[in-house]
Amino acid sequence: ETGVTQSPTHLIKTRGQQVTLRCSSQSGHNTVSWYQQALGQGPQFIFQYYREEENGRGNFPPRFSGLQFPNYSSELNVNALELDDSALYLCASSFGGGDTGELFFGEGSRLTVL
Amino acid sequence: DQQVKQNSPSLSVQEGRISILNCDYTNSMFDYFLWYKKYPAEGPTFLISISSIKDKNEDGRFTVFLNKSAKHLSLHIVPSQPGDSAVYFCAASGTSGTYKYIFGTGTRLKVLA
Repeated sequence: ETGVTQSPTHLIKTRGQQVTLRCSSQSGHNTVSWYQQALGQGPQFIFQYYREEENGRGNFPPRFSGLQFPNYSSELNVNALELDDSALYLCASSFGGGDTGELFFGEGSRLTVL
Repeated sequence: DQQVKQNSPSLSVQEGRISILNCDYTNSMFDYFLWYKKYPAEGPTFLISISSIKDKNEDGRFTVFLNKSAKHLSLHIVPSQPGDSAVYFCAASGTSGTYKYIFGTGTRLKVLA
């Protein structure tokens, strides 16, 4: 059973640039959620994709967007990067677009915006 | 507005003793709670959960207690082991139709050998 994998693990961008982060969900899972973890904070929900459709969104501006592909892998895109976007971005997969249950997290992509 | 609070940023416990990690929440609509453990350079891993219809759930050395009237939950680890040293996050969910978990800020547990 393959776990959740994310790429890249680290990246550095400058303010105003755009970034794409990628996530492969765990085998058998059809739901992907993205979280942002700023330094010293807990993970904050960005959005969730279930069967290729956005299925819930947290308090993040529209410049945060995503995609889910037929194989259930997912991308997180952030446009017009700001310094405050520097954080660890965590992808989590699960089965079913319901309320509860265990999320399986990847190791995260650490983004630094200069 | 922090809906899930972990007021102790860190905790040190002697090996073999009990570790108690606390979490408070403000939203009475939350009905499902989880604890995650995070080691450096790894993603959070699920530890234990509890539904609001229960007040206790046990899994080996880990027990979670839920006090709905106080909007408080706690994680007990007995006996604590050095490998338990990690950051522990509590998370809560309501009936919103998504896995939109609200996480606390975490408590760093250090178990001293």
